[in-house]
Amino acid sequence: QKEVEQNSGPLSVPEGAIASLNCTYSDRVSQSFFWYRQYSGKSPELIMSIYSNGDKEDGRFTAQLNKASQYVSLLIRDSQPSDSATYLCAVLTDSWGKFQFGAGTQVVVTP
Amino acid sequence: DGGITQSPKYLFRKEGQNVTLSCEQNLNHDAMYWYRQDPGQGLRLIYYSQIVNDFQKGDIAEGYSVSREKKESFPLTVTSAQKNPTAFYLCASSTPRVGETQYFGPGTRLLVL
Repeated sequence: QKEVEQNSGPLSVPEGAIASLNCTYSDRVSQSFFWYRQYSGKSPELIMSIYSNGDKEDGRFTAQLNKASQYVSLLIRDSQPSDSATYLCAVLTDSWGKFQFGAGTQVVVTP
Repeated sequence: DGGITQSPKYLFRKEGQNVTLSCEQNLNHDAMYWYRQDPGQGLRLIYYSQIVNDFQKGDIAEGYSVSREKKESFPLTVTSAQKNPTAFYLCASSTPRVGETQYFGPGTRLLVL
């Protein structure tokens, strides 16, 4: 059973619309959650981190965490063509710094 | 200018050859990691190290070896025992406290001749 699961996509989103990405995780003791953006052929770059239940907003990005449901999501508002990338969900699974990554969701923003 | 550097950007391996991928960081991070990414796949952990002279196997350590002689450096050797080494290799570092995130180097793409 995969520890971090994401829909692989591709998720096609019209320009200006909201993209909604979901991630579930299996380890109940996980404390820290991250969203990375990865362009084709490049390394992942951090978009958001979230540690407490609820919403966290940063510009056009909003991360949502529900620890009871073991669910974390990312909303991208006013989607732009430059948002076309693969989005990786990552979970810090222990105090020694071991991370688990989902397989990623590919987002395609269409003009 | 703080960050993580990986070299080379591209690496070609002949059959039966061992090759070493370099990873250096000047972020003063304690923990360093190596991941492998195959096309259309997520990241799989090869090895990680929380402290100098100590490291642990990740999920796919077979055919790989590492060393951590200095805090700044965490080289990865892909040995001849790794039969399918073609992939994108990513090095990352972090401070292993709750809430600390990982930062990634630019990656090395390994190809087999």
